[in-house]
Amino acid sequence: GAVVSQHPSWVICKSGTSVKIECRSLDFQATTMFWYRQFPKQSLMLMATSNEGSKATYEQGVEKDKFLINHASLTLSTLTVTSAHPEDSSFYICSASTSNTGELFFGEGSRLTVL
Amino acid sequence: GIQVEQSPPDLILQEGANSTLRCNFSDSVNNLQWFHQNPWGQLINLFYIPSGTKQNGRLSATTVATERYSLLYISSSQTTDSGVYFCAVGDEKLTFGTGTRLTIIP
Repeated sequence: GAVVSQHPSWVICKSGTSVKIECRSLDFQATTMFWYRQFPKQSLMLMATSNEGSKATYEQGVEKDKFLINHASLTLSTLTVTSAHPEDSSFYICSASTSNTGELFFGEGSRLTVL
Repeated sequence: GIQVEQSPPDLILQEGANSTLRCNFSDSVNNLQWFHQNPWGQLINLFYIPSGTKQNGRLSATTVATERYSLLYISSSQTTDSGVYFCAVGDEKLTFGTGTRLTIIP
């Protein structure tokens, strides 16, 4: 299957700082990537769709100015949590699909803790 | 948006038992996938199954698209099968179900 990699796996930051998470497709090109968020003991919720070369599309209730998404190449999308607060602490996970089947593959996830 | 319900929410079984997990969804979709989320949070792809039946070792899955449900079968359960199982449905982007937490007791 296709490989999607995220970095960092864990990040702890102080309230008010910004954190960047990278999502890479290692063995395929992805014009579209998806960012999800998962709170403890809950399901995954789609935050936004990242489109290479254009603006991201955000789901209802997700602040685009707080969660900045950049998809500058066919293998890299980044999510920046700006001015992070403790309520932003969560597990963030990205996904991408190969063009032939539409099957989605997920990265390892990034666990953010805001103190 | 599309609604995805999974049942049961929790399942505790003895090692060696068989189990059936169900996923109901509210609208027609082109993509349905089953995942196992391991203790570290990583999603392991189990099946890409928008319709039909597939088998992979002790696991198999069946999707009846016309009736909007999918079933995941786990036979001869092992302790390593423990974790949360999600189905996710949609077209280009996926909506996740509520999950089934499976615990296999030695």
